Amino acid sequence: QKEVEQDPGPLSVPEGAIVSLNCTYSNSAFQYFMWYRQYSRKGPELLMYTYSSGNKEDGRFTAQVDKSSKYISLFIRDSQPSDSATYLCAMSAEDSNYQLIWGAGTKLIIKP
Amino acid sequence: NAGVTQTPKFQVLKTGQSMTLQCAQDMNHEYMSWYRQDPGMGLRLIHYSVGAGITDQGEVPNGYNVSRSTTEDFPLRLLSAAPSQTSVYFCASSYDINQPQHFGDGTRLSIL
Repeated sequence: QKEVEQDPGPLSVPEGAIVSLNCTYSNSAFQYFMWYRQYSRKGPELLMYTYSSGNKEDGRFTAQVDKSSKYISLFIRDSQPSDSATYLCAMSAEDSNYQLIWGAGTKLIIKP
Repeated sequence: NAGVTQTPKFQVLKTGQSMTLQCAQDMNHEYMSWYRQDPGMGLRLIHYSVGAGITDQGEVPNGYNVSRSTTEDFPLRLLSAAPSQTSVYFCASSYDINQPQHFGDGTRLSIL
């Protein structure tokens, strides 16, 4: 079993829809949680960075962390065709020297 | 401000050849790392460095060497290329080991 599980998709939604992307994990020591966006043939780009549990909002993006369920989510409101990309979750813990453990990514397609 | 620059963007090697993937950052980041990205898998850490003169192994270090003689540069060397090393390689950097990382756009490497 992978430490971090992420549905590979593709997830296809119409423009303007609310998108929900999720990751589950098994290591309860994870404290830092990140979402990256990766366009085709480009490097990952940081979208959201959260510590411990709770919500964080930045424009159209909201990140949620539920440590009791070992579950993190990224919500995208008013989705745009430019949001079409692969979304990667990553997480780390102090006791493993902050080494990032990555999900395999979810491919998102926003249809105009 | 170029961020993280990786060269070359593409490379084809024959089995047994050696080569060096270059990575440079102009953000004065102390932490630098190398990952490989394979289909259906999350990014996997190869080697990392917390500062000039200091390197350490990640999850998948076999077949790769690194050195860090300056803050700016962190080259990755393939000693004797094998088909299993066909992958996309990403270099990343951050201010510190527990901070979000900035990525280059990758080197696509094929080993025949």
